[in-house]
Amino acid sequence: GAVVSQHPSRVICKSGTSVKIECRSLDFQATTMFWYRQFPKQSLMLMATSNEGSKATYEQGVEKDKFLINHASLTLSTLTVTSAHPEDSSFYICSARASNYNEQFFGPGTRLTVL
Amino acid sequence: GQQLNQSPQSMFIQEGEDVSMNCTSSSIFNTWLWYKQDPGEGPVLLIALYKAGELTSNGRLTAQFGITRKDSFLNISASIPSDVGIYFCAGRENVDGNKLVFGAGTILRVKS
Repeated sequence: GAVVSQHPSRVICKSGTSVKIECRSLDFQATTMFWYRQFPKQSLMLMATSNEGSKATYEQGVEKDKFLINHASLTLSTLTVTSAHPEDSSFYICSARASNYNEQFFGPGTRLTVL
Repeated sequence: GQQLNQSPQSMFIQEGEDVSMNCTSSSIFNTWLWYKQDPGEGPVLLIALYKAGELTSNGRLTAQFGITRKDSFLNISASIPSDVGIYFCAGRENVDGNKLVFGAGTILRVKS
């Protein structure tokens, strides 16, 4: 149990385009979902926390208009990188947490490359 | 802000050896977690610690929550090739809070 999936696993896009990444909890309801960014050989940095049906809470320094997060249901959250630039290239990882368990389960990540 | 110092940064050991890594923080955490991340994958939870002084095992892995609540260690006994990966510690101020702070990671390589 407690499986989190992400789609796509890899995406390459041109500078200026927008990219949507999906995060799904497959076998549990996720009241809270998290989005992280990980640069090569670095740790995970929390970008934002989202609760189902409400606006996401962004960490300091993360632009909410650039990284749009929608958590429309208890099993799906999406991250849209708008007007992507090469510096947005990174490994984006989501995680999901159920209401009856303290810990987060992580997705397999999405490798974004912006040309 | 909160920071976790994780060491060592990397280790290259012989198969069968024991491994030890640790994390220290500048502030008190009420939860310590240890994760393993394989290349191109998300982190997988290995051990969760919720009480100061707690010592918990998961197979060949053992982790402890420091008495001061500002540190934790992870030991791996009798390492095997599949132990290769990046190990991260993570801390949380509140047991039921949301935000995790991650250490920089320890890269483990095993020579068989």
